Amino acid sequence: SAVISQKPSRDICQRGTSLTIQCQVDSQVTMMFWYRQQPGQSLTLIATANQGSEATYESGFVIDKFPISRPNLTFSTLTVSNLSPEDSSIYLCSATVSGANVLTFGAGSRLTVL
Amino acid sequence: QKEVEQDPGPLSVPEGAIVSLNCTYSNSAFQYFMWYRQYSRKGPELLMYTYSSGNKEDGRFTAQVDKSSKYISLFIRDSQPSDSATYLCAMSEGSGGYQKVTFGTGTKLQVIP
Repeated sequence: SAVISQKPSRDICQRGTSLTIQCQVDSQVTMMFWYRQQPGQSLTLIATANQGSEATYESGFVIDKFPISRPNLTFSTLTVSNLSPEDSSIYLCSATVSGANVLTFGAGSRLTVL
Repeated sequence: QKEVEQDPGPLSVPEGAIVSLNCTYSNSAFQYFMWYRQYSRKGPELLMYTYSSGNKEDGRFTAQVDKSSKYISLFIRDSQPSDSATYLCAMSEGSGGYQKVTFGTGTKLQVIP
């Protein structure tokens, strides 16, 4: 299965700033996804990142707040903009290799907003 | 009502015990059922993957799906301290290409030596 590297692994940011999270996969993958994981809550899908097209956002998530890039089949970035303390969470990158419903995850990026 | 319900625990058991982790769901269209294991400060990793109803065994782990009751289970036999992690159930609808995966909240398991 694919190996996914995410960076930064953690960061502390001031409110009003932005953080960009990078996700690198060691092989070409069809679909990449960005999830948010908050304590006591299930993994929440933010958006699906497709190479060569705009990301598809889930209800409650908008491009202005969470712009996503997918320049090729192995890389994606998620930016969390205009940070507020409510954005403090773990953000996870994931991918599926063959289009099956099996997801591989990165280790996550832990964001704290002061 | 959440689509997928999972007892958050924490669940604490002695080493060697049999562990039962469970999820219920409301969407009868779910056909693919998965269990992910997540160690602290790591991403989830796939543990078990089953399609439709029935049992699947892999070493000390058994996944069970009862679609009539909308209930899935993961059994861990002879639990080890290394099994201490959060276990997330996940499920998706079927047929054709990728289908969105819906996760439970996860059950935190601690196996005490």
